Amino acid sequence: DAKTTQPPSMDCAEGRAANLPCNHSTISGNEYVYWYRQIHSQGPQYIIHGLKNNETNEMASLIITEDRKSSTLILPHATLRDTAVYYCIDSGNTPLVFGKGTRLSVIA
Amino acid sequence: NAGVTQTPKFRILKIGQSMTLQCTQDMNHNYMYWYRQDPGMGLKLIYYSVGAGITDKGEVPNGYNVSRSTTEDFPLRLELAAPSQTSVYFCASTQWKGGANVLTFGAGSRLTVL
Repeated sequence: DAKTTQPPSMDCAEGRAANLPCNHSTISGNEYVYWYRQIHSQGPQYIIHGLKNNETNEMASLIITEDRKSSTLILPHATLRDTAVYYCIDSGNTPLVFGKGTRLSVIA
Repeated sequence: NAGVTQTPKFRILKIGQSMTLQCTQDMNHNYMYWYRQDPGMGLKLIYYSVGAGITDKGEVPNGYNVSRSTTEDFPLRLELAAPSQTSVYFCASTQWKGGANVLTFGAGSRLTVL
């Protein structure tokens, strides 16, 4: 089974960059890395995905290591509204499997 | 576009009652999913569908049934509700984006069984 490992929780000061790590050592060559977040009890929200190259969109940047065994989601200027649970998922399982994620607390 | 719409948002059931959680999407997505989320836990897949007339079990299907008669609708039926089914239920549908499988979720349905 595809499996990712994330720290259970992290803190970040408001206005600073939040760097959320994820290990996905069992990922295969054609499997994507996805990031979603869940604010309070809302439905999860798609953030970004990548295969090999680093990716950036209006929400975040995704840095994938060259061996693809880990990645980092970067929120460049975290705000209080970024407080949420962040899920890192590899597409080895279809449908996607959501673990417990990382609870990011942005602190004023 | 409304995206994925779930009803009801909240419901309290008595043990043994039955009900249907409704899910509708207006994005013409073929793939639809039902997840449940217990407090402090990740999402667990109940059932999914790859198109009208096709459904398949996920990780935790017991106590639930689904049907997919149209592309838009994917209702989840709870028969003989039990306290263990107290949870938040999320419906989702898939858009294939740049070769990847991107999920759009509904706002959730919070169910309490007493």
